[in-house]
Amino acid sequence: NAGVTQTPKFQVLKTGQSMTLQCAQDMNHEYMSWYRQDPGMGLRLIHYSVGAGITDQGEVPNGYNVSRSTTEDFPLRLLSAAPSQTSVYFCASRTGTLSTYEQYFGPGTRLTVT
Amino acid sequence: GENVEQHPSTLSVQEGDSAVIKCTYSDSASNYFPWYKQELGKRPQLIIDIRSNVGEKKDQRIAVTLNKTAKHFSLHITETQPEDSAVYFCAASRGNAGNMLTFGGGTRLMVKP
Repeated sequence: NAGVTQTPKFQVLKTGQSMTLQCAQDMNHEYMSWYRQDPGMGLRLIHYSVGAGITDQGEVPNGYNVSRSTTEDFPLRLLSAAPSQTSVYFCASRTGTLSTYEQYFGPGTRLTVT
Repeated sequence: GENVEQHPSTLSVQEGDSAVIKCTYSDSASNYFPWYKQELGKRPQLIIDIRSNVGEKKDQRIAVTLNKTAKHFSLHITETQPEDSAVYFCAASRGNAGNMLTFGGGTRLMVKP
């Protein structure tokens, strides 16, 4: 199993550009999430999904869109990049069963907006 | 929503000493409390977690305690080693209600040889 994968690893955008961060998992997990981590801070939840076709907002959703058309993929779209979105983005997934609540994190995407 | 506060923000200990990191949470419905270790440039790695029906959990040199009444939980690392140096994050969630982890601000642990 590859676990949770994210692409790209690094990205530089100019203000106003749009892009999609990719996230995929091969563990058949129902739950997937996107977090951002600013320097010296904890992770903050952007959007999450509890299954294909179902998404909801987290703590800091403004400026981001998500969709969940398949169980495996959960892309994050930046609509019009701003310098405030410079951050490291982590995708995570977990099973929907109650036997474990452990989340598995991807390696992250480091985004710089100039 | 949930709010998690973590203290201290930095902690320096001598190798072999113990380290304790404390977190408080605000949502009494939270029932899952994981601790993550994050090394520079890496993803968070789960080191131990506890559910609200348990007061203490131990895994070798690492233990977590939970006080539901006071809404706080703590990470204890004994016999610290230089490789324990990293940033540690606590988090809280309603584990049976999706994927919504709320993280504390982190503690930078430095273990001096």
